Amino acid sequence: QVQLQESGPGLVKPSGTLSLTCAVSGGSISSTNWWNWVRQPPGKGLEWIGEIFHSGSTNYSPSLKSRVTISVDKSKNQFSLELTSVTAADTAVYYCARTYCSDGNCYKLFEYWGQGTLVTVSS
Amino acid sequence: DIVMTQSPDSLAVSLGERATINCKSSQSVLYRSNNKNYLAWYQQKPGQPPKLLIYWASTRESGVPDRISGSGSGTDFTLTISSLQAEDVAVYYCQQYYSDLRTFGQGTKVEIK
Repeated sequence: QVQLQESGPGLVKPSGTLSLTCAVSGGSISSTNWWNWVRQPPGKGLEWIGEIFHSGSTNYSPSLKSRVTISVDKSKNQFSLELTSVTAADTAVYYCARTYCSDGNCYKLFEYWGQGTLVTVSS
Repeated sequence: DIVMTQSPDSLAVSLGERATINCKSSQSVLYRSNNKNYLAWYQQKPGQPPKLLIYWASTRESGVPDRISGSGSGTDFTLTISSLQAEDVAVYYCQQYYSDLRTFGQGTKVEIK
């Protein structure tokens, strides 16, 4: 059973950079899956941020693309999120998630999720 | 962007009664080449991550009870809980995965009446 665990600072100052890591266990990050970040502001809905393949290929949400970088570290079986120039609007629970794959094809829905980590942007 | 709109925003249902949640997409999420609707449903309980319930609009994820079902095609979809149980209290989200920019509905909160 694949497990994902987010880690990183819970408090980031405005205009700073949010940095989170997702550790993958029970499976290899070099599998055919894509690895995603999704966020949820307190009391609100879900927003997809972006994804990465083990090769380093990425896709980002257009609304965040200018501020987001997702990277992968195959040696540590983990991937990371950086979000720059943060504001209070970036306060959210950040989840890492794995796409669903079947018969060698992967689809842009989320089969496995981490427990999430709350990041607050405040001075 | 494909906008997903759920209705209602919340509903209260008696134990054992039916709960119905609707999800409408701003454009079709039916992929003609394989005749599949790229629509998923998730359940989120307080303090927990979303849990995948349904994909391809009507295929239950392993372990999901058969009282939970999905239906619909094109732009209109429904999640039905045929006999509400206490453990079904949660927020439910639909999500389209037809476009590269995957988007979610705003969520529907299901409570016990």
